[in-house]
Amino acid sequence: EVQLLESGGGLVQPGGSLRLSCAASGFAFSSYAITWVRQAPGKGLEWVSDVSGSGDITKYADSVKGRFTTSRDNSKSTVFLQMNSLRAEDTAVYYCAKRTAAAVVRDYFDYWGQGTLVTVSS
Amino acid sequence: DVQMTQSPSTLSASVGDRVTITCRASQSVNTWLAWYQQRPGKAPKLLIYKASSLESGVPSRFSGSGSGTEFTLTISNLQPDDFATYYCQQYNSYSYTFGQGTKLEIK
Repeated sequence: EVQLLESGGGLVQPGGSLRLSCAASGFAFSSYAITWVRQAPGKGLEWVSDVSGSGDITKYADSVKGRFTTSRDNSKSTVFLQMNSLRAEDTAVYYCAKRTAAAVVRDYFDYWGQGTLVTVSS
Repeated sequence: DVQMTQSPSTLSASVGDRVTITCRASQSVNTWLAWYQQRPGKAPKLLIYKASSLESGVPSRFSGSGSGTEFTLTISNLQPDDFATYYCQQYNSYSYTFGQGTKLEIK
């Protein structure tokens, strides 16, 4: 059974940093790209970032480019989202999702984790 | 970025009804479109990919159609579990973008 479990969310002050983790199981982890999607309270879904199966290619939304970094440790079946210079508008539930291919190509999200809440507030 | 616009934003229907949700893209996305269902407090769930392909395990009362800039999600014989929010998403080009969502409510 495919499972994705996010962790690391919490309350952080504006300008602070947080590192989210997405631990995966039930599939050949390094064979699939992973995506981060966020959802602000009461709002819709926003794509944030992709990382390829090998970890050598990453993509970012303009809203987080230069502040967020996605990486992965295939030996631990885990993806990370390092979030720096956090702003109030980054407050959201962050989901990781599995893609259907290793490359970050035209591809949808077939399994999602349950999400972790990040709150940026003083 | 490609803008995705769903209509209606809210839809009221009864168990057993057939409903249709429309998703329009600001430019062609070919058939690189997915539909997701999200229940309150839960993660999104994939329903349809490549505009009309039904994800394994999803009931056949869900169907998708369209190409280019106009797409529809149709749900036949609505069941109580179907009352949720539905999102379309284009994956033709970065940044992948979602529609604003359609909330399907019980009438």
